[in-house]
Amino acid sequence: DVVMTQSPLSLPVTLGQPASISCRSTQTLLLSDGNTYLNWYHQRPGQSPRRLIFKVSNRDSGVPDRISGSGSGTDFTLEISRVEAEDVGVYYCVQGSYWPPYTFGQGTKLEIK
Amino acid sequence: EVQLVESGGGLVQPGGSLRLSCAASGFTFSSHWMSWVRLTPRKGLEWVANINEDGDKQYYVQSVKGRFTISRDNAKNSLSLQMNSLRAEDTAVYFCARGIATALFDFWGQGTLVTVSS
Repeated sequence: DVVMTQSPLSLPVTLGQPASISCRSTQTLLLSDGNTYLNWYHQRPGQSPRRLIFKVSNRDSGVPDRISGSGSGTDFTLEISRVEAEDVGVYYCVQGSYWPPYTFGQGTKLEIK
Repeated sequence: EVQLVESGGGLVQPGGSLRLSCAASGFTFSSHWMSWVRLTPRKGLEWVANINEDGDKQYYVQSVKGRFTISRDNAKNSLSLQMNSLRAEDTAVYFCARGIATALFDFWGQGTLVTVSS
């Protein structure tokens, strides 16, 4: 199985400052057809996960442009250029290139300092 | 508007059974793969199972193979998860989620809590 490792697991950030979360996979997620299935999700307390980014860098509808995804191969990053109060919660990456099973990172808890 | 509404969670003893349901609306249910994903404090999010559009292909995480069965009724826009031989480690909030590939897990339900305890 592909193992996904996120860091950091806890991320205290001052409002208005940037934040960055890393997600690494144990094998390349790049498929021979050129696709890389790596998504990012945000889960607020008591809510269901919401997809933010699909296929590494594609923003979902309604996701602000201060949130972006990048990376390739085995190294991926979610960046928030200016953290707002609504950004608190847990962020997960998930790989969809080699399944079953789909595998998630452990989650990164973002909190406001 | 896409809506996924889970039901059927509850408290069950180890070794017991439970059936979860997910009612879908706001999209053409029969055109989408569907999954069950669970959330635990210890492991975070874990994909459990998925099923193709026609219901004739199912895939499972190793830890539930032989105990859980995913199924769907496209006429009723409904997804199910039959859970047998439940263990304490199956305690989780279970979500149904839509999609595969580019549409992977693009929409989620609100979740239903399953607690396995004596």
